[in-house]
Amino acid sequence: AQSVTQLGSHVSVSEGALVLLRCNYSSSVPPYLFWYVQYPNQGLQLLLKYTSAATLVKGINGFEAEFKKSETSFHLTKPSANMSDAAEYFCAVSGRVWGKLIFGQGTTLQVKP
Amino acid sequence: DAGVIQSPRHEVTEMGQEVTLRCKPISGHDYLFWYRQTMMRGLELLIYFNNNVPIDDSGMPEDRFSAKMPNASFSTLKIQPSEPRDSAVYFCASSLETSGGNGEQFFGPGTRLTVL
Repeated sequence: AQSVTQLGSHVSVSEGALVLLRCNYSSSVPPYLFWYVQYPNQGLQLLLKYTSAATLVKGINGFEAEFKKSETSFHLTKPSANMSDAAEYFCAVSGRVWGKLIFGQGTTLQVKP
Repeated sequence: DAGVIQSPRHEVTEMGQEVTLRCKPISGHDYLFWYRQTMMRGLELLIYFNNNVPIDDSGMPEDRFSAKMPNASFSTLKIQPSEPRDSAVYFCASSLETSGGNGEQFFGPGTRLTVL
C-alpha cells in the first residue's frame, strides 16, 4: 500500500533562512507525488507535482522539490523564507487506484521575523 | 473557472440535528472527493465518486454519514444525527482523469462545521 511520512509536524525558520520540509513515501509502483499548501482558513492549494518527468520540480512561490527514488524522498525546499510562507504543508502520493491521493499528516511551517 | 464551490462556509448546529454540506466540482471533472480535517486526525478521505458513482466509501465513519452525487455538478454530504465529535472542516475536491493524468486534486474552501 502507498503511504507518506512527513518528518516533523512543526518546523520553525527565520525569515530569509532555508526552508526544508521532509517527505518520505512508500509505493510499489512508480509514484506521482504532490505538495500542497494550506493557508489559515483556506482549502489546500497545489504547490508542485512530480509526474515522472524531471526529478527536480519547481512550483509556485519559489518552492521546489526533488524526487529521489533511492531514498524514497520528495523533500520540499525554498532558499529564503518569507513571512507569507507560514502555513501547513502536505505531501501526498497517488494511490494504486487512480484518483485517490494518500496524504501525510502535514507540517506546520512557522516563519519568525 | 470558479473552482470548487462549497456551501455553507460555516455551519453551527445542535447535537441531533441533520446537517447537509454541498459541493459543486469544477466543470468537466469526473472525480469528486469528500475529506474531513481535524486537529486530532488530520486530513481524512471520507468518500469519492467517479462519474457520479461512489467508488470508495470506506472512510465514512458511521451510518450517520451519507453522500450523494445526483449529477456531475453537485454532491452532498449529510450527517444525521449530528454529534459534537463531527465538528471539523469538511473539504470537497475534484479532479479530471485524462490520458496520462496524475491525480491532481483541486480543493474547495471547506465548510467549518460546529456541532454544539
